[in-house]
Amino acid sequence: QVQLVQSGAEVKKPGASVKVSCKASGYTSTTYGINWLRQAPGQGLEWMGWISAYSGSTKYAQMFQGRVTVTTDTSTSTAYMELRSLRSDDTALYYCASGPSAIYYDTSGYPYFDYWGQGSLVAVSS
Amino acid sequence: EIVLTQSPGTLSLSPGERATLSCRASQSVTGNQLGWYQQKPGQTPRLLIYGASSRANGIPDRFSGSGSGTDFTLTISRLEPEDFAVYYCQQYGSSPRYSFGQGTKLEIK
Repeated sequence: QVQLVQSGAEVKKPGASVKVSCKASGYTSTTYGINWLRQAPGQGLEWMGWISAYSGSTKYAQMFQGRVTVTTDTSTSTAYMELRSLRSDDTALYYCASGPSAIYYDTSGYPYFDYWGQGSLVAVSS
Repeated sequence: EIVLTQSPGTLSLSPGERATLSCRASQSVTGNQLGWYQQKPGQTPRLLIYGASSRANGIPDRFSGSGSGTDFTLTISRLEPEDFAVYYCQQYGSSPRYSFGQGTKLEIK
């Protein structure tokens, strides 16, 4: 079964950058995508971006464009999300999430989030 | 940009009752690609319904989804104690690729 394991909690100062990792296991090929989402304390879910582990194609939500980069290392089945110029309102639980392995979704992304990492808390405070 | 609006914000019901949760989109959802998730405190979201009306693996049949275009509904036919949680609808489309409603909290009356 697919499992996503994320890196631990981080505390950052305003203006700094953070890089969160997400190691995938259980996939038999690289034809899957990894999404990054976040959830501020007591708030709803917000999609940030997506990367195809197969092609390296990326897609970002407009509100994060220019401030977030998602990458993948296929040799270790690990995806990364870097968020720059952190502000206090970036304090949130950051999740990676994915769907089934299917080349059909390589450019478009799977429509839903079947599998979730456990979340990585990023706290931004001076 | 598609905006999803869920109602009500909070729904207070008793175990055994029927729950009806609404999700309205600001424009038609592409291919009715609409999902529903359940999130309990301290847990990650769990996919319940995809394609507006198909149950995900292992989801009890008391959960059902319906709707098309801009109006969608999640119905829980007979509430169990473990069903009290926050529910989110989510759409898949072109701009943005994914977006969520603000959530409906289902609480015990």
